[in-house]
Amino acid sequence: AQSVTQPDIHITVSEGASLELRCNYSYGATPYLFWYVQSPGQGLQLLLKYFSGDTLVQGIKGFEAEFKRSQSSFNLRKPSVHWSDAAEYFCAVDGGSQGNLIFGKGTKLSVKP
Amino acid sequence: ETGVTQTPRHLVMGMTNKKSLKCEQHLGHNAMYWYKQSAKKPLELMFVYSLEERVENNSVPSRFSPECPNSSHLFLHLHTLQPEDSALYLCASSQDKGGGSGANVLTFGAGSRLTVL
Repeated sequence: AQSVTQPDIHITVSEGASLELRCNYSYGATPYLFWYVQSPGQGLQLLLKYFSGDTLVQGIKGFEAEFKRSQSSFNLRKPSVHWSDAAEYFCAVDGGSQGNLIFGKGTKLSVKP
Repeated sequence: ETGVTQTPRHLVMGMTNKKSLKCEQHLGHNAMYWYKQSAKKPLELMFVYSLEERVENNSVPSRFSPECPNSSHLFLHLHTLQPEDSALYLCASSQDKGGGSGANVLTFGAGSRLTVL
């Protein structure tokens, strides 16, 4: 069965520092991969997605993610974090015949001034 | 109005009450979903509707009853809930249900925060 692991529950970075959030997935074939962000009291917003092709994908708000098949990873990165990036980030995989997303437990990002 | 709208945003109910959550999407999508988000747990898919037909029910207790009268509206009827049902209930929609060669790009609403006393 498909699964998603986000090993970091909570990460704190300083404003202006770089960020990398980790995501590992379990799926036999090439998956469709997503990163969503959830601000407090809000629903989830799509940051970026990987379907095929270039393994480095660009998203909104200056985020990017790299698909590494050999490591079963899809880590999210941002070169310089802004205070408004404080939120919870969810990685998800869609690879089943039912086409349903499987989400990780999320990583909460705090940003220090 | 655009996107996916959920009402009410907050709901407090007793275990013997009957209430409903409403979701409306203005995106022309064909598939709609209910997810449950509890603290420290992954998002749990509850129900999936495609073209108003329920295509998935993930072993959800019968005290949760979905209804999809048309492709733009989705309800979750609640009755005799338990305190452990307190959570954020998220509605989402996608162009199609996905699967196979298609992929699900979900658009979420802001959620309905439910507290069961």
